[in-house]
Amino acid sequence: DVKVTQSSRYLVKRTGEKVFLECVQDMDHENMFWYRQDPGLGLRLIYFSYDVKMKEKGDIPEGYSVSREKKERFSLILESASTNQTSMYLCASSLPQGQETQYFGPGTRLLVL
Amino acid sequence: EDQVTQSPEALRLQEGESSSLNCSYTVSGLRGLFWYRQDPGKGPEFLFTLYSAGEEKEKERLKATLTKKESFLHITAPKPEDSATYLCAVQARSYQLIWGAGTKLIIKP
Repeated sequence: DVKVTQSSRYLVKRTGEKVFLECVQDMDHENMFWYRQDPGLGLRLIYFSYDVKMKEKGDIPEGYSVSREKKERFSLILESASTNQTSMYLCASSLPQGQETQYFGPGTRLLVL
Repeated sequence: EDQVTQSPEALRLQEGESSSLNCSYTVSGLRGLFWYRQDPGKGPEFLFTLYSAGEEKEKERLKATLTKKESFLHITAPKPEDSATYLCAVQARSYQLIWGAGTKLIIKP
């Protein structure tokens, strides 16, 4: 079974703090994704990566950055957290183009005060 | 503009009462349609992928179908443990999936 793990289930941070969310997958998937999920909205893509050190902006990249130094690990960074970044953050991974089923981690619920 | 709309937003059923969830889409060049189940506070769990109109897939009490404009997730004789939010997503031209907002399904015993 594909396993995607996220470093924290719950986080509470203060406005202006730098926040790191980490995601690890154990299935040697090329593609990795970061989404945020808010009530009443569909999942919104923040960034994705199709290879080590490669990244592409999604629909809502503002205020976020990412890092992928190893194939299995994809980090989301909030450089200066703001209250409007309070959300559920979901990481996913998939095989390359043509086999795009995405497998998700358990999510990190982030509260920015 | 590519778009995915799920209906209804919420659906309450009695245990054993069969029904269907709808996912309508407008995309150019559908490459795949995905159904996921999401329990509260957890990440989405993959259910099905459909690739072409007329295709059907089944898993336990769930059956997914696909036409050129929409997909249905049919739930036959549901049980309380089928309660969850069901998400639909489509893939068109790129890596990105376009997600619907989901249908929250509640099955009462």
